[in-house]
Amino acid sequence: DTAVSQTPKYLVTQMGNDKSIKCEQNLGHDTMYWYKQDSKKFLKIMFSYNNKELIINETVPNRFSPKSPDKAHLNLHINSLELGDSAVYFCASSHAYEQYFGPGTRLTVT
Amino acid sequence: AQSVTQLDSQVPVFEEAPVELRCNYSSSVSVYLFWYVQYPNQGLQLLLKYLSGSTLVKGINGFEAEFNKSQTSFHLRKPSVHISDTAEYFCAVSETGNFNKFYFGSGTKLNVKP
Repeated sequence: DTAVSQTPKYLVTQMGNDKSIKCEQNLGHDTMYWYKQDSKKFLKIMFSYNNKELIINETVPNRFSPKSPDKAHLNLHINSLELGDSAVYFCASSHAYEQYFGPGTRLTVT
Repeated sequence: AQSVTQLDSQVPVFEEAPVELRCNYSSSVSVYLFWYVQYPNQGLQLLLKYLSGSTLVKGINGFEAEFNKSQTSFHLRKPSVHISDTAEYFCAVSETGNFNKFYFGSGTKLNVKP
């Protein structure tokens, strides 16, 4: 069984569109994250939720809006997509100090 | 704030040779330290972690790392690499007492040649 899953795996869209990425974890963890990995492989935290509550919100444009309907799900909605949003987005969940990452969603904005 | 520096962006090495991937951090508070591996087109996977105790930490796939507080380093080593170790390796830190936030280094691409 996949521990942390993301959909879709690939997403190609045009500038100005709105898109969502979904994440689900079946590990029973309380904390979930979204990370952005750019073309140089640099990994930066965007958001973190603990038991559906937002606890980390890094300097991210407000076009990005996370939503956690329950502690097993953390979705990411992006409005008015820009070229610079092209990246791989990783969802992760954690228990204490161990993080488990999803397979990533490669977003390409044209 | 914390920062993590991985000094080498790429490390080429021949199969069965030893390798060391370097990681230095800066922090004003105590930290926990981690190494993650990312195989092509996959998510990150935890290799090993240092929380407390012995400064030499052993992880999966024959990797180990040594925490050096005075040097603020956490270098990753393997005595004999395999082709299958070819991947991107990330060092990360987290503040003790604030385990929700992780800071990652920029990654080191280990390229093992036959």
